[in-house]
Amino acid sequence: GAVVSQHPSRVICKSGTSVKIECRSLDFQATTMFWYRQFPKKSLMLMATSNEGSKATYEQGVEKDKFLINHASLTLSTLTVTSAHPEDSSFYICSAVGTSGSLYEQYFGPGTRLTVT
Amino acid sequence: TQLLEQSPQFLSIQEGENLTVYCNSSSVFSSLQWYRQEPGEGPVLLVTVVTGGEVKKLKRLTFQFGDARKDSSLHITAAQPGDTGLYLCAAHTGSNTGKLIFGQGTTLQVKP
Repeated sequence: GAVVSQHPSRVICKSGTSVKIECRSLDFQATTMFWYRQFPKKSLMLMATSNEGSKATYEQGVEKDKFLINHASLTLSTLTVTSAHPEDSSFYICSAVGTSGSLYEQYFGPGTRLTVT
Repeated sequence: TQLLEQSPQFLSIQEGENLTVYCNSSSVFSSLQWYRQEPGEGPVLLVTVVTGGEVKKLKRLTFQFGDARKDSSLHITAAQPGDTGLYLCAAHTGSNTGKLIFGQGTTLQVKP
């Protein structure tokens, strides 16, 4: 089956620093990846759509200069949280859509727990 | 704005009981998906329903897509502690981008 990995699984950083989260499709190519944010016991909130080779599309209210997304290859998208603040602490999840499958098939990564101190 | 209203948001039951989770919208969707998520992990797809009136069964879980493709339900028979988790319904926005909108989620706790 399609596997999506995220690295790191957990990260703690100091306020004001930047942190990069990687999302990889391990056994398929993904032209489109999505980044979500999730608060405890809440649903997933879509942050942005990441398309390989082009700029990401951000949802309303998401600061594109704060949450930098790069999708340089068909198997890797990265989310960089710049100048992190404690309120950026959250669970970040990515998902990927395969190039050969239908748009119905979206595979989720295991998530990254970010804690900003 | 397309919205998915999921209910109930929290459910605590005893092992062996039955339960139903609802996912409603005023919008028509081409498909609807149900996910289960455990703490600290990503969502795992349980089922995709595509046809109005469709019923799919996955062991003790029964999923139904409304005739008008605006709503769906998840019924669990004889719940087990292993069913504990966050259940999410999701639907494609129809923009052909693959973008999903999610319901608010239902946190289910099954007590032994």
